[in-house]
Amino acid sequence: DAKTTQPNSMESNEEEPVHLPCNHSTISGTDYIHWYRQLPSQGPEYVIHGLTSNVNNRMASLAIAEDRKSSTLILHRATLRDAAVYYCIRRKETSGSRLTFGEGTQLTVNP
Amino acid sequence: NAGVMQNPRHLVRRRGQEARLRCSPMKGHSHVYWYRQLPEEGLKFMVYLQKENIIDESGMPKERFSAEFPKEGPSILRIQQVVRGDSAAYFCASSPYITDTQYFGPGTRLTVL
Repeated sequence: DAKTTQPNSMESNEEEPVHLPCNHSTISGTDYIHWYRQLPSQGPEYVIHGLTSNVNNRMASLAIAEDRKSSTLILHRATLRDAAVYYCIRRKETSGSRLTFGEGTQLTVNP
Repeated sequence: NAGVMQNPRHLVRRRGQEARLRCSPMKGHSHVYWYRQLPEEGLKFMVYLQKENIIDESGMPKERFSAEFPKEGPSILRIQQVVRGDSAAYFCASSPYITDTQYFGPGTRLTVL
């Protein structure tokens, strides 16, 4: 699995929206974009994933650029419990045996 | 539906001892993955197993480490003759199908004295 590029850290204020960017300029047509997050001292937690279209679930929204070279995870109203490391991961549909984690983005949420 | 369970949550071993880490996947999940997170580093894939079979162990150190997922019972990650460099958090994940979302357990934090 090839790498994705994310900012090392971001800050947000409580109850404001957060946009977490991810660059995957060499993505291939069969790669899905997955987002996981890891809260302090916990295991990673699935957030959302998509292929081409924008996706929404109860946790977040995923906006995928038309050329698929980048995507943005959107937390609509950040809470203190959203403070975590967020990982953007490319994952092939046909050989999804592993997740390749990069360094992720450390999100700090200010009260 | 209970999540992925790992035990023990914390494990302390002296150099040269054996460490056994257990992972019970979610009900109905037959795919198990082990990852390791060294201090101040990211998560690294170690091994992927399906019931009774090792499918991909390309991330596993060649010596001292082994994994199994028997027909009955939890998956076991075994580390023989532990060294200080093995100190890390070990996470297990499971999924119902190979391409499906992976659900992670809380991890086992191994400390080697």
